[in-house]
Amino acid sequence: DAGVTQSPTHLIKTRGQQVTLRCSPISGHKSVSWYQQVLGQGPQFIFQYYEKEERGRGNFPDRFSARQFPNYSSELNVNALLLGDSALYLCASSLFGYTDTQYFGPGTRLTVL
Amino acid sequence: KQEVTQIPAALSVPEGENLVLNCSFTDSAIYNLQWFRQDPGKGLTSLLLIQSSQREQTSGRLNASLDKSSGRSTLYIAASQPGDSATYLCAVVTGFQKLVFGTGTRLLVSP
Repeated sequence: DAGVTQSPTHLIKTRGQQVTLRCSPISGHKSVSWYQQVLGQGPQFIFQYYEKEERGRGNFPDRFSARQFPNYSSELNVNALLLGDSALYLCASSLFGYTDTQYFGPGTRLTVL
Repeated sequence: KQEVTQIPAALSVPEGENLVLNCSFTDSAIYNLQWFRQDPGKGLTSLLLIQSSQREQTSGRLNASLDKSSGRSTLYIAASQPGDSATYLCAVVTGFQKLVFGTGTRLLVSP
């Protein structure tokens, strides 16, 4: 079975632009979470979705938004990019949410110039 | 606020050694704890999940223990190999639907 997939792999944007990152969960998984990982640090929680509804939101500004589609795939949108948004963005899927094993994708490396 | 600390930050050992990685968390009200491995520039690979009611989990050469009351977990790696070189992250799940990660232990196993 395919694991969690994310696209694109790498992305370069300039300050003020907008970006959309995509995630496809493992087949049968209904929960998707997004994390931001800055170099040298552990991942920081951004959002969790379960059955297309937001279940949790981390301490990120409103420039960050996400949604989950009927096929359980998800998009993360970031508006008005700042240099500090440069990071590895990770998507995780699980069957039901936070009570079971989280499976991570390879991530999208975002560079903001 | 839940905080997760991992010690040591970096570890270098010769091949074949047994080693222990430590993880501590400030709030014992967790649902579970998960250990991950991360290779440079890559995503996270789940190693072990310990539910809050469990004391330990084992997978191959890996054994993870959990002492919820003291806010500690350890990851034991037996007979280390160069392929074990990676950053190891622990994360706890709180009631806020999210994983809270430590900053990781960077492991280098030399042949």
